[in-house]
Amino acid sequence: DTEVTQTPKHLVMGMTNKKSLKCEQHMGHRAMYWYKQKAKKPPELMFVYSYEKLSINESVPSRFSPECPNSSLLNLHLHALQPEDSALYLCASSLSQFRGSQYFGPGTRLTVL
Amino acid sequence: QQQVKQSPQSLIVQKGGISIINCAYENTAFDYFPWYQQFPGKGPALLIAIRPDVSEKKEGRFTISFNKSAKQFSLHIMDSQPGDSATYFCAARVNNQGGKLIFGQGTELSVKP
Repeated sequence: DTEVTQTPKHLVMGMTNKKSLKCEQHMGHRAMYWYKQKAKKPPELMFVYSYEKLSINESVPSRFSPECPNSSLLNLHLHALQPEDSALYLCASSLSQFRGSQYFGPGTRLTVL
Repeated sequence: QQQVKQSPQSLIVQKGGISIINCAYENTAFDYFPWYQQFPGKGPALLIAIRPDVSEKKEGRFTISFNKSAKQFSLHIMDSQPGDSATYFCAARVNNQGGKLIFGQGTELSVKP
């Protein structure tokens, strides 16, 4: 089973709202990733967690706050977003940062009004 | 240079034909080269991947050819079908930067019946 699940599928939020995106995998993977993808562009890496610790932060604005409560779950907390943050947010996981392929979830389509 | 250059940007192929997508890189710290297929509104799905010590890998109708000396790799889709119409991304993993994936810009494939 190579499934990564993400909730919600769609999210519409105002610029003053606080919301969270959730990601879950049960493949025993110890690396988890958040990506942002704009239309007709490749995914852009935002954060990497390795063994539940933040390993890479690609200079993402602080209005995006990741959290890894355990080895199967990854959250992305959103606050005071801008309309230009509207995008498809993808979660991925791999065996480790340096081993195995990255498997992506279906994504959350975020619209910021 | 961390770029992966992908071509063509778009490709139209007749049903039953061969689709060929090419990628080139310069960074010798890349150690793993996956290809992803993405349908509109969905997350990227891992299609096939190769390591640089292998020159060719085949899975069903999909084949990766890898030329280490030329720093090029390509995806061949044999007997292309309308259901293959999607965006394809090549990628390369950087082994000295936390295993980050560097993506090509994508190829939009359309297979005409």
